[in-house]
Amino acid sequence: DSGVTQTPKHLITATGQRVTLRCSPRSGDLSVYWYQQSLDQGLQFLIQYYNGEERAKGNILERFSAQQFPDLHSELNLSSLELGDSALYFCASSVGPSNTIYFGEGSWLTVV
Amino acid sequence: QQQVKQSPQSLIVQKGGISIINCAYENTAFDYFPWYQQFPGKGPALLIAIRPDVSEKKEGRFTISFNKSAKQFSLHIMDSQPGDSATYFCAARLANQAGTALIFGKGTTLSVSS
Repeated sequence: DSGVTQTPKHLITATGQRVTLRCSPRSGDLSVYWYQQSLDQGLQFLIQYYNGEERAKGNILERFSAQQFPDLHSELNLSSLELGDSALYFCASSVGPSNTIYFGEGSWLTVV
Repeated sequence: QQQVKQSPQSLIVQKGGISIINCAYENTAFDYFPWYQQFPGKGPALLIAIRPDVSEKKEGRFTISFNKSAKQFSLHIMDSQPGDSATYFCAARLANQAGTALIFGKGTTLSVSS
């Protein structure tokens, strides 16, 4: 158990809908990262937050947004969902940007 | 330039054999190269990591070899065991004042047959 908690573990929703994925980082970790894992694209970096501020952005679609709250938990919002958004979404955390990154067990999103 | 290319895509090794997975990168700004191991239904877990000023790092049966001039690094698993069957990802870290991103290879599925 990495200490990174993600909810929900599984989610099935229809195209056009909006979902929110939640992440609680390891105790003491200030950095939170979001990754998308699909069979054809592998692990794609989406976005990083550090102590509430956005720090780095990867291949995150405009339909997706994230935030990190004062208690350091983070949420990833996915809107106007398309079939191609079906994937495993991982949250990861680290003490700081230069420290080891620990991954949660992921949230499986299926868009039908 | 921010890609990390990983090969092979899949690998089958006999128990007791050596598993070798290779990765290549272009961006010389990468400053840290970890390998992650992922079992089905689980998140990736850090296995071993190396910095570019070191040519080799060994932890138990796992060794990273790093060739800075060739911009290549590889994972060697000695005496491979069925329990090593998993997907392995190499990664490279890009860090600047703004933030950090781990860029992952596409993964290698390792099957160790008994």
